[in-house]
Amino acid sequence: NAGVTQTPKFQVLKTGQSMTLQCAQDMNHNSMYWYRQDPGMGLRLIYYSASEGTTDKGEVPNGYNVSRLNKREFSLRLESAAPSQTSVYFCASSERTSGVLLQYFGPGTRLLVL
Amino acid sequence: AQSVTQLGSHVSVSEGALVLLRCNYSSSVPPYLFWYVQYPNQGLQLLLKYTTGATLVKGINGFEAEFKKSETSFHLTKPSAHMSDAAEYFCAVTPLSGGYNKLIFGAGTRLAVHP
Repeated sequence: NAGVTQTPKFQVLKTGQSMTLQCAQDMNHNSMYWYRQDPGMGLRLIYYSASEGTTDKGEVPNGYNVSRLNKREFSLRLESAAPSQTSVYFCASSERTSGVLLQYFGPGTRLLVL
Repeated sequence: AQSVTQLGSHVSVSEGALVLLRCNYSSSVPPYLFWYVQYPNQGLQLLLKYTTGATLVKGINGFEAEFKKSETSFHLTKPSAHMSDAAEYFCAVTPLSGGYNKLIFGAGTRLAVHP
């Protein structure tokens, strides 16, 4: 199993450009998440998808859109990138084992917006 | 709203010394509690978790954490630090009820281990 995979690993954008971050998991998990990680702020939830066909806003959704393409894939789109979106983006998927939520993370995408 | 506070954004210890990373949560009902570790340029991986039962939980790589309800704390410890423990550590919580499907993370503590 590859677990959670993310592409690309690194990306440099100019202000106003758009891009889509891709995420896929092969663990047959229902729920998937997008976080951003900034120094001193931990991980903040951007969007999540509790199951195929549903998406919900997290703590910091402004400037982002998501698509749950199927059970495996959950993409994050920046329509018009801004320097404030420079960050490391993590995708995660989760399973509930004995009522406990366990999240599994991808390796991250490092995004620099100039 | 629930929150997680990690005291100390940076902790530095000598190799072989005790590691203590602090985590406090705010909740009227004890949530499930987690510690995650992030090695440089990698994603997060689960170190250990507390759900119910024994309040002292053991994780991977010799780490353990103790849930103290009276102190609303879940501090992470390791008796003897190793150079390979250098990483960032995140405490996280999830509520028990409501089908809540998200984790709330603390800001993280970066652990440095020096010879």
